[in-house]
Amino acid sequence: GIQVEQSPPDLILQEGANSTLRCNFSDSVNNLQWFHQNPWGQLINLFYIPSGTKQNGRLSATTVATERYSLLYISSSQTTDSGVYFCAVRTGGSYIPTFGRGTSLIVHP
Amino acid sequence: NAGVTQTPKFQVLKTGQSMTLQCAQDMNHEYMSWYRQDPGMGLRLIHYSVGAGITDQGEVPNGYNVSRSTTEDFPLRLLSAAPSQTSVYFCASRLAGGPSVDEQFFGPGTRLTVL
Repeated sequence: GIQVEQSPPDLILQEGANSTLRCNFSDSVNNLQWFHQNPWGQLINLFYIPSGTKQNGRLSATTVATERYSLLYISSSQTTDSGVYFCAVRTGGSYIPTFGRGTSLIVHP
Repeated sequence: NAGVTQTPKFQVLKTGQSMTLQCAQDMNHEYMSWYRQDPGMGLRLIHYSVGAGITDQGEVPNGYNVSRSTTEDFPLRLLSAAPSQTSVYFCASRLAGGPSVDEQFFGPGTRLTVL
Protein backbone atom coordinates (compact mmCIF):
# COMPACT_ATOMS: atom_id res chain seq x y z
CA GLY A 1 0.00 0.00 0.00
CA ILE A 2 0.86 3.64 -0.09
CA GLN A 3 3.54 4.91 2.32
CA VAL A 4 3.11 8.23 4.11
CA GLU A 5 6.06 9.86 5.84
CA GLN A 6 5.87 12.99 7.96
CA SER A 7 8.70 15.19 9.11
CA PRO A 8 9.92 16.27 11.50
CA PRO A 9 8.57 13.77 14.05
CA ASP A 10 8.89 16.32 16.84
CA LEU A 11 9.04 20.09 16.89
CA ILE A 12 9.41 22.53 19.78
CA LEU A 13 8.80 26.24 19.21
CA GLN A 14 8.56 29.48 21.09
CA GLU A 15 5.29 31.32 20.76
CA GLY A 16 5.38 33.57 17.70
CA ALA A 17 7.69 31.38 15.63
CA ASN A 18 6.84 30.00 12.20
CA SER A 19 7.11 26.37 11.14
CA THR A 20 6.74 24.05 8.17
CA LEU A 21 5.56 20.46 8.44
CA ARG A 22 6.05 18.07 5.57
CA CYS A 23 4.16 15.03 4.29
CA ASN A 24 5.66 12.79 1.60
CA PHE A 25 3.70 10.01 -0.05
CA SER A 26 4.80 7.16 -2.26
CA ASP A 27 2.04 7.05 -4.88
CA SER A 28 -0.42 9.27 -6.69
CA VAL A 29 -3.27 10.40 -4.49
CA ASN A 30 -6.68 11.90 -5.11
CA ASN A 31 -7.28 12.91 -1.53
CA LEU A 32 -5.08 14.50 1.10
CA GLN A 33 -6.14 15.89 4.44
CA TRP A 34 -4.32 17.55 7.30
CA PHE A 35 -5.62 16.99 10.83
CA HIS A 36 -4.73 18.47 14.19
CA GLN A 37 -5.04 16.27 17.26
CA ASN A 38 -5.26 18.53 20.26
CA PRO A 39 -3.88 17.62 23.71
CA TRP A 40 -7.31 16.24 24.65
CA GLY A 41 -7.14 13.73 21.81
CA GLN A 42 -9.73 15.29 19.52
CA LEU A 43 -9.00 15.05 15.78
CA ILE A 44 -9.88 18.20 13.90
CA ASN A 45 -9.95 18.68 10.14
CA LEU A 46 -7.60 21.44 9.02
CA PHE A 47 -7.47 21.16 5.25
CA TYR A 48 -8.74 18.98 2.47
CA ILE A 49 -6.08 19.65 -0.14
CA PRO A 50 -5.36 17.05 -2.86
CA SER A 51 -3.59 19.77 -4.85
CA GLY A 52 -2.90 23.48 -4.81
CA THR A 53 -2.77 25.91 -1.90
CA LYS A 54 -5.26 26.86 0.79
CA GLN A 55 -5.13 29.27 3.69
CA ASN A 56 -7.12 29.51 6.88
CA GLY A 57 -5.96 32.25 9.21
CA ARG A 58 -2.42 31.55 10.41
CA LEU A 59 -2.40 28.12 8.77
CA SER A 60 -1.86 27.35 5.14
CA ALA A 61 -1.16 24.20 3.15
CA THR A 62 0.28 23.40 -0.24
CA THR A 63 0.16 20.07 -2.04
CA VAL A 64 2.34 19.39 -5.08
CA ALA A 65 0.72 16.18 -6.26
CA THR A 66 3.13 15.62 -9.16
CA GLU A 67 6.06 15.61 -6.71
CA ARG A 68 4.16 13.67 -4.04
CA TYR A 69 4.39 15.97 -1.09
CA SER A 70 2.36 18.40 0.95
CA LEU A 71 3.43 21.16 3.32
CA LEU A 72 1.59 22.66 6.27
CA TYR A 73 2.68 26.14 7.33
CA ILE A 74 1.99 27.52 10.77
CA SER A 75 2.76 31.21 11.21
CA SER A 76 2.99 33.16 14.47
CA SER A 77 2.47 29.96 16.45
CA GLN A 78 0.43 30.00 19.65
CA THR A 79 0.34 27.61 22.59
CA THR A 80 -3.05 26.38 21.37
CA ASP A 81 -1.32 25.06 18.23
CA SER A 82 0.32 22.35 20.35
CA GLY A 83 -0.62 18.80 19.57
CA VAL A 84 0.01 16.28 16.82
CA TYR A 85 -0.46 17.06 13.13
CA PHE A 86 -1.39 14.20 10.85
CA CYS A 87 -1.40 13.91 7.11
CA ALA A 88 -3.80 11.35 5.59
CA VAL A 89 -3.90 10.34 1.94
CA ARG A 90 -6.11 8.20 -0.22
CA THR A 91 -5.41 6.70 -3.62
CA GLY A 92 -7.98 6.10 -6.30
CA GLY A 93 -8.14 2.40 -5.48
CA SER A 94 -8.90 2.72 -1.77
CA TYR A 95 -11.94 3.79 0.19
CA ILE A 96 -10.26 4.84 3.40
CA PRO A 97 -7.29 7.18 3.98
CA THR A 98 -3.84 6.06 5.17
CA PHE A 99 -2.28 8.15 7.92
CA GLY A 100 1.29 9.21 8.53
CA ARG A 101 2.75 8.88 12.02
CA GLY A 102 2.34 12.57 12.71
CA THR A 103 4.43 15.54 13.81
CA SER A 104 4.25 16.33 17.50
CA LEU A 105 4.35 20.10 18.06
CA ILE A 106 4.91 21.82 21.38
CA VAL A 107 4.64 25.61 21.52
CA HIS A 108 6.06 27.21 24.64
CA PRO A 109 4.78 30.58 25.91
CA ASN B 1 -26.01 17.54 13.89
CA ALA B 2 -24.15 15.62 16.57
CA GLY B 3 -21.60 14.45 13.99
CA VAL B 4 -19.78 11.24 14.92
CA THR B 5 -20.42 9.99 18.45
CA GLN B 6 -18.66 7.20 20.34
CA THR B 7 -19.43 5.42 23.58
CA PRO B 8 -18.00 4.75 26.06
CA LYS B 9 -15.26 7.36 26.41
CA PHE B 10 -13.24 5.17 28.77
CA GLN B 11 -13.28 1.43 29.44
CA VAL B 12 -11.19 -0.99 31.49
CA LEU B 13 -11.43 -4.70 30.71
CA LYS B 14 -9.84 -7.84 32.02
CA THR B 15 -8.06 -10.19 29.64
CA GLY B 16 -10.58 -12.47 27.96
CA GLN B 17 -13.61 -10.23 28.41
CA SER B 18 -15.62 -9.11 25.41
CA MET B 19 -17.21 -5.77 24.73
CA THR B 20 -18.64 -3.55 22.00
CA LEU B 21 -17.54 -0.03 21.21
CA GLN B 22 -20.39 1.99 19.79
CA CYS B 23 -20.16 4.47 16.93
CA ALA B 24 -22.97 6.47 15.36
CA GLN B 25 -23.18 9.31 12.85
CA ASP B 26 -26.10 11.48 11.81
CA MET B 27 -24.66 12.95 8.62
CA ASN B 28 -25.93 10.18 6.33
CA HIS B 29 -22.36 9.22 5.48
CA GLU B 30 -21.93 6.02 3.49
CA TYR B 31 -18.38 5.26 4.57
CA MET B 32 -17.47 4.48 8.18
CA SER B 33 -14.26 3.16 9.66
CA TRP B 34 -12.50 2.23 12.87
CA TYR B 35 -8.92 3.15 13.70
CA ARG B 36 -6.71 2.45 16.65
CA GLN B 37 -4.06 4.88 17.80
CA ASP B 38 -0.97 3.72 19.63
CA PRO B 39 2.01 5.87 20.71
CA GLY B 40 4.36 6.52 17.79
CA MET B 41 2.21 4.52 15.37
CA GLY B 42 -0.25 7.08 14.06
CA LEU B 43 -3.72 5.80 13.23
CA ARG B 44 -4.09 2.28 11.87
CA LEU B 45 -7.22 1.07 10.14
CA ILE B 46 -9.02 -1.87 11.77
CA HIS B 47 -12.20 -2.32 9.71
CA TYR B 48 -14.28 -0.20 7.41
CA SER B 49 -17.66 -0.18 5.72
CA VAL B 50 -18.80 1.38 2.45
CA GLY B 51 -22.49 1.00 3.21
CA ALA B 52 -25.07 -0.91 5.20
CA GLY B 53 -24.39 -4.63 5.01
CA ILE B 54 -20.87 -4.19 3.58
CA THR B 55 -17.70 -4.40 5.68
CA ASP B 56 -14.05 -5.11 4.97
CA GLN B 57 -10.78 -5.52 6.83
CA GLY B 58 -8.17 -2.85 7.26
CA GLU B 59 -4.54 -3.08 8.31
CA VAL B 60 -5.01 -4.60 11.80
CA PRO B 61 -8.31 -6.55 11.90
CA ASN B 62 -7.36 -9.52 14.09
CA GLY B 63 -9.32 -9.76 17.33
CA TYR B 64 -12.09 -7.41 16.15
CA ASN B 65 -15.45 -7.86 14.47
CA VAL B 66 -17.76 -5.29 12.90
CA SER B 67 -21.21 -5.18 11.39
CA ARG B 68 -23.18 -2.46 9.62
CA SER B 69 -26.91 -3.11 9.83
CA THR B 70 -27.84 0.58 9.39
CA THR B 71 -26.24 3.59 7.74
CA GLU B 72 -25.95 5.34 11.11
CA ASP B 73 -24.28 2.71 13.29
CA PHE B 74 -20.97 0.88 13.07
CA PRO B 75 -20.14 -1.04 16.27
CA LEU B 76 -16.72 -2.59 16.91
CA ARG B 77 -16.63 -5.82 18.90
CA LEU B 78 -13.67 -7.16 20.83
CA LEU B 79 -14.18 -10.90 21.02
CA SER B 80 -11.68 -11.78 23.76
CA ALA B 81 -9.75 -8.75 24.97
CA ALA B 82 -5.95 -8.90 25.18
CA PRO B 83 -3.47 -6.41 26.68
CA SER B 84 -2.22 -5.71 23.14
CA GLN B 85 -5.61 -4.15 22.42
CA THR B 86 -5.00 -1.39 24.93
CA SER B 87 -5.29 1.68 22.75
CA VAL B 88 -7.39 4.67 21.82
CA TYR B 89 -10.06 3.82 19.27
CA PHE B 90 -11.47 6.31 16.80
CA CYS B 91 -14.49 5.97 14.60
CA ALA B 92 -14.69 8.06 11.42
CA SER B 93 -17.13 8.66 8.61
CA ARG B 94 -17.32 10.39 5.25
CA LEU B 95 -19.58 10.72 2.23
CA ALA B 96 -18.99 8.53 -0.75
CA GLY B 97 -18.55 10.29 -4.05
CA GLY B 98 -16.19 12.71 -5.69
CA PRO B 99 -13.37 14.81 -4.28
CA SER B 100 -15.64 17.72 -3.33
CA VAL B 101 -17.19 15.68 -0.53
CA ASP B 102 -14.16 13.67 0.45
CA GLU B 103 -13.50 14.95 3.95
CA GLN B 104 -13.31 12.46 6.79
CA PHE B 105 -14.77 13.30 10.22
CA PHE B 106 -13.76 11.69 13.50
CA GLY B 107 -15.50 10.84 16.73
CA PRO B 108 -14.01 11.84 20.11
CA GLY B 109 -12.39 8.44 20.73
CA THR B 110 -12.65 5.61 23.26
CA ARG B 111 -9.70 4.98 25.56
CA LEU B 112 -9.52 1.24 26.29
CA THR B 113 -7.27 -0.45 28.82
CA VAL B 114 -7.01 -4.23 29.01
CA LEU B 115 -5.48 -5.60 32.19
